[in-house]
Amino acid sequence: GIQVEQSPPDLILQEGANSTLRCNFSDSVNNLQWFHQNPWGQLINLFYIPSGTKQNGRLSATTVATERYSLLYISSSQTTDSGVYFCAVASGGGADGLTFGKGTHLIIQP
Amino acid sequence: DGGITQSPKYLFRKEGQNVTLSCEQNLNHDAMYWYRQDPGQGLRLIYYSQIVNDFQKGDIAEGYSVSREKKESFPLTVTSAQKNPTAFYLCASRMTRETEAFFGQGTRLTVV
Repeated sequence: GIQVEQSPPDLILQEGANSTLRCNFSDSVNNLQWFHQNPWGQLINLFYIPSGTKQNGRLSATTVATERYSLLYISSSQTTDSGVYFCAVASGGGADGLTFGKGTHLIIQP
Repeated sequence: DGGITQSPKYLFRKEGQNVTLSCEQNLNHDAMYWYRQDPGQGLRLIYYSQIVNDFQKGDIAEGYSVSREKKESFPLTVTSAQKNPTAFYLCASRMTRETEAFFGQGTRLTVV
């Protein structure tokens, strides 16, 4: 099946810093999502972005499907941005469902 | 409010017992999914259903069972055959394979 690798696994930043999280995947995809998992475990949808670029406030994402990677940018980090960020993908064929990476654990210090 | 509701939030199971986790959605989505998350890990797919009265095994289906009698509901039973059931369980739904998936708030299952 499709493989998903996220980097870095851990990231510690000061409030106000910018960050870039990366997601590499091993096959062509027709679905790619970024999620933020908060300390209570809830998965919050950030972007549905199988290709192209999207922005939502301080967050933006870019997927280059032909090169099999996606990037999540967080600008002017706040302590509430802390948590785990997951990339999840799905290809057009095979079994249904999203395949998740292991996540990037982000800690924003005040 | 439209969304996905999982219950209970916390569940404790004795060794050898079957337990059922509830997942209900009012988003009118056709497809529903169950995932398992272990500490420090990503989510792994247990079962999915693309339509009422049909479901398919995911990557880690052993020791679990599901049913899909109604479009809105996709309960997961963790059977006594599941060797290591302690985990965080998340339910999701989406309209089609090419659309955005949404998740419930999860159920934490602990074997005591």
